[in-house]
Amino acid sequence: EDQVTQSPEALRLQEGESSSLNCSYTVSGLRGLFWYRQDPGKGPEFLFTLYSAGEEKEKERLKATLTKKESFLHITAPKPEDSATYLCAVQAPLSLNNDMRFGAGTRLTVKP
Amino acid sequence: NAGVTQTPKFRVLKTGQSMTLLCAQDMNHEYMYWYRQDPGMGLRLIHYSVGEGTTAKGEVPDGYNVSRLKKQNFLLGLESAAPSQTSVYFCASSYGRQSYGYTFGSGTRLTVV
Repeated sequence: EDQVTQSPEALRLQEGESSSLNCSYTVSGLRGLFWYRQDPGKGPEFLFTLYSAGEEKEKERLKATLTKKESFLHITAPKPEDSATYLCAVQAPLSLNNDMRFGAGTRLTVKP
Repeated sequence: NAGVTQTPKFRVLKTGQSMTLLCAQDMNHEYMYWYRQDPGMGLRLIHYSVGEGTTAKGEVPDGYNVSRLKKQNFLLGLESAAPSQTSVYFCASSYGRQSYGYTFGSGTRLTVV
């Protein structure tokens, strides 16, 4: 069965303190790995899709990387507005319904 | 640009009552999904639809029914609400089988007492 595990569950950073969030996955083949941002009281917002090991995507202070077993979301010099829950999801090749398996998320707090 | 709109945003039900959650999207997406989100757990798929007039069960379908009579709308029904159905419900939509990210609505917080 496809599994997605995110760590840590919660992370508190000072403004400007860079760090990384981890997403470990087991899936029978990988069609795509997705990162979403979720603000309190809102729905997840799509950030990135990664398709193959070695691939990287960047957006502002965020950079996502992918290996055969895990993905990292690197946050460089974070600001308070980066505070949110970050969700990871995987999609297997046999997911004809386009379904994604989500992790429980990492709740990031950035203090000024 | 409305995207995905969910109504209502909040609801309190008594055990045994029924209700319908409405999801509407204006992006002409073929695929639509209903998820529930509970503390400490990832989003779990309840039901989904790959096109108008079609529906299918997801990971946690028991106690829920869905309908997609129009392409832009996807309804989630609870026939007899139970406290275990207290959750935040999200609707999402996407293009076809390609690996596109989903567009989510803002959620419905449902409490069953």
